[in-house]
Amino acid sequence: KAGVTQTPRYLIKTRGQQVTLSCSPISGHRSVSWYQQTPGQGLQFLFEYFSETQRNKGNFPGRFSGRQFSNSRSEMNVSTLELGDSALYLCASSLVVTVNTGELFFGEGSRLTVL
Amino acid sequence: ILNVEQSPQSLHVQEGDSTNFTCSFPSSNFYALHWYRWETAKSPEALFVMTLNGDEKKKGRISATLNTKEGYSYLYIKGSQPEDSATYLCASSDQTGANNLFFGTGTRLTVIP
Repeated sequence: KAGVTQTPRYLIKTRGQQVTLSCSPISGHRSVSWYQQTPGQGLQFLFEYFSETQRNKGNFPGRFSGRQFSNSRSEMNVSTLELGDSALYLCASSLVVTVNTGELFFGEGSRLTVL
Repeated sequence: ILNVEQSPQSLHVQEGDSTNFTCSFPSSNFYALHWYRWETAKSPEALFVMTLNGDEKKKGRISATLNTKEGYSYLYIKGSQPEDSATYLCASSDQTGANNLFFGTGTRLTVIP
């Protein structure tokens, strides 16, 4: 069974540009969530989608957005990139409706470097 | 936003030693506590999902306990092996009907052969 797939794995952008990251969840998983990891910080929750609806959003500026398609694949977009956006972005999918009953399955992440 | 704390930040142990880490979380509005293992260059993998006070879970040489009244969980590794070297993350959920977690910064374990 294929795991969570994230593309691209590595990318370099310059300040002011925008970036789109993609996540394909495990087949059958309808929930996709996104996390950001920067040095010294724990994983910070960005947003979560379930059946194409955003259910929760973390404390990030509006430059961070996402969407989910009917096949559960998800994309996140960061506009007007800043140096501080350099991070590892992790996508996670879940079979369950709530993390109170089951775990998240993570991809290997997309490492974004902003110059 | 939940404040989840882990200690120690890192530790080195000899192969064969047993070790344990701590995860602290707000005891009010508790719903679930997750443990993940994150090996370098790989993706985080779930170890345990715990919801009940007094829960104890075990997977091979790794076990975890949960105290929701005082807001802490312990992860134990018995007879550490080099392949146990990883960052161990704990995370808590603050609401029902959602799939977002609040993570601690992790405990980085290095097992020296």
